[in-house]
Amino acid sequence: EPEVTQTPSHQVTQMGQEVILRCVPISNHLYFYWYRQILGQKVEFLVSFYNNEISEKSEIFDDQFSVERPDGSNFTLKIRSTKLEDSAMYFCASNWGEGHNEQFFGPGTRLTVL
Amino acid sequence: GEDVEQSLFLSVREGDSSVINCTYTDSSSTYLYWYKQEPGAGLQLLTYIFSNMDMKQDQRLTVLLNKKDKHLSLRIADTQTGDSAIYFCAEGRTGRRALTFGSGTRLQVQP
Repeated sequence: EPEVTQTPSHQVTQMGQEVILRCVPISNHLYFYWYRQILGQKVEFLVSFYNNEISEKSEIFDDQFSVERPDGSNFTLKIRSTKLEDSAMYFCASNWGEGHNEQFFGPGTRLTVL
Repeated sequence: GEDVEQSLFLSVREGDSSVINCTYTDSSSTYLYWYKQEPGAGLQLLTYIFSNMDMKQDQRLTVLLNKKDKHLSLRIADTQTGDSAIYFCAEGRTGRRALTFGSGTRLQVQP
C-alpha cells in the first residue's frame, strides 16, 4: 500500500541553524501539507501546497519557513534559522484534493533545537 | 475561530467498548475525521463522517455526530490491546485545505 515517507526520523540542530525536512508524498497525489505537533500540544496546520505554489498557510508559517517541491517526488520544509520553540514533531501529508479532504500522513520527523 | 477539544485519557478493559468524545466549535465544519496514532507512526485515518450525517458504522467503529451540540464520538466495540493508541478528532471545511485537530485522546486497553 502506498504511503507517505519522511526523513530523517529525528533531527537535532543548534539554534540559528537551517534545517530541511524531507517528505515523499504518495506518488499520484496533488496536494501536500506540513503540520507540526509541539510536545503535549495539538497538531497544528502549517501550510498546503498545490501546483507548485502555496495554497494556504497558517500564522505559524512565517518568513522563517519555506516549502519546495524540488523534483517530481520530494516535498521539503525549510526552517531558515531555527529557534528553541521550533522543536516539535513535523508531519507531512498528501492527498488527491478532490472530494472530501482525507489526508494521508507520514510518520513524522522529530526536530530538536538545542 | 475554530477549536476542537478532546479528553486526554481513557482506560478500558479488553473486550469492553470504548467511547472517545470530541467537541468542535466551527458550525461550518463539513467533514469530521478520526485519526489513530500508534507509537512511532504517523496519523492513520480511521473513519470520517460528513456533517449532514448522524451516524456512520464501519466494522467495530461507530461514529455519532450531534450537529446541534457540535459533539462527535467514536465508539470502538470489543476493544483489543492493539487498539491502544492516541486518537485524534479533526475537522475540515469545504474550500479550506487545513484540518483542525484536537489534542488527542490516549486510549489504554488493559488485558
